[in-house]
Amino acid sequence: DTAVSQTPKYLVTQMGNDKSIKCEQNLGHDTMYWYKQDSKKFLKIMFSYNNKELIINETVPNRFSPKSPDKAHLNLHINSLELGDSAVYFCASSQPGSTGELFFGEGSRLTVL
Amino acid sequence: GNSVTQMEGPVTLSEEAFLTINCTYTATGYPSLFWYVQYPGEGLQLLLKATKADDKGSNKGFEATYRKETTSFHLEKGSVQVSDSAVYFCALRGNSGGSNYKLTFGKGTLLTVNP
Repeated sequence: DTAVSQTPKYLVTQMGNDKSIKCEQNLGHDTMYWYKQDSKKFLKIMFSYNNKELIINETVPNRFSPKSPDKAHLNLHINSLELGDSAVYFCASSQPGSTGELFFGEGSRLTVL
Repeated sequence: GNSVTQMEGPVTLSEEAFLTINCTYTATGYPSLFWYVQYPGEGLQLLLKATKADDKGSNKGFEATYRKETTSFHLEKGSVQVSDSAVYFCALRGNSGGSNYKLTFGKGTLLTVNP
């Protein structure tokens, strides 16, 4: 029973393609996130949704479009993939009003060729 | 804005050595502070946390004390094991407005423990 699950775990694709990564959490949390981790392990927040509403949208190219169909799901769609999009993308969730702990998925490694 | 600065790695130690990974932060008010650990090929998991000044978080032999006077949250372990090899991230969560919703991470410190 994985708390935060992402699919796919690995994704290899060509430049210019469009791809999606899906995330689901079964913790009953209201808030979900997408983080990007580069090759140097640096983690940067991309988006956050609270109960299906976008609350954080950091400086991310508009080729990246998150979508939250319900509060348990947050998907990430990427158009016109570029080499620099290669990274590990982590989904996470948390409950506002709690101590703020984030629960992370195992990551989705995207490689753009 | 909020920021976290942690000691750059990599750090390489022998088993049973003492570990310190320094972390300092910049934030307004009273943020909550965290250490996360990322084992190879896995996602991040919470190692320990502290939500107010002078609190000490501890878990699996690791400790960190929230020092508001020095804006620090250094991670320590008295005797590391090979299984502690991982990347360690210091993080903070603000306590005002929209910053409540996101964690700001340091750049991570790779620890390798040799037998």
